[in-house]
Amino acid sequence: EVQLVESGGGLVQPGGSLRLSCAASGFTFSSYEMNWVRQAPGKGLEGVSYISSSGSTINYADSVKGRFTISRDNAKNSLYLQMNSLRAEDTAVYYCARVGPRGWYFDLWGRGTLVTVSS
Amino acid sequence: EIVLTQSPGTLSLSPGERATLSCRASQSVSSSNYLAWYQQKPGQAPRLLIYGASSRATGFPDRFSGSGSATDFTLTISRLEPEDFAVYYCQQYASAPITFGQGTRLEIK
Repeated sequence: EVQLVESGGGLVQPGGSLRLSCAASGFTFSSYEMNWVRQAPGKGLEGVSYISSSGSTINYADSVKGRFTISRDNAKNSLYLQMNSLRAEDTAVYYCARVGPRGWYFDLWGRGTLVTVSS
Repeated sequence: EIVLTQSPGTLSLSPGERATLSCRASQSVSSSNYLAWYQQKPGQAPRLLIYGASSRATGFPDRFSGSGSATDFTLTISRLEPEDFAVYYCQQYASAPITFGQGTRLEIK
């Protein structure tokens, strides 16, 4: 089955760190660009970070630049998001999403993992 | 950054009716119409519905259609079924950063 499964979310205090993982299966992970997208409770969608298939090209939303680091391990079919210096406004469901073959849209999404930043 | 504005915020219709959702971009999303639509049901991840402004994704019936160009795009559901009531988001991928509209909630009247 073609799927993405996120893990690593939870409750963390402001200023803390968390590492999210996304396990891919059912497709050739190393051939696809990937993205993290987040959704604050009751709010819309926000692109967080992008990584090319080889990992050589990376970009971040301004809201997380300097605090979050995206990476991937193609041998393990896994995508990661290291989140440091977390703030209350980072509270959201974080989705792992596969970039489509014909552009930077998202043709496959995981179910998401909830990150709550609160004291 | 390209800002996407969706209207209306909420659309109340009955099964069998036609739904028309709008997405307007603050600048052109290019001649290749780099515009996608997603459907999101409560407690679920978004699901790709339309890409390239008018190409329907796998698994969606032909009652869903996308149209438009440059800055004005429309998602049309020709005849609403009970399972179509959800939140719909548009997204542009013409230029970084990719951005989403704020969503249109389609609710049963």
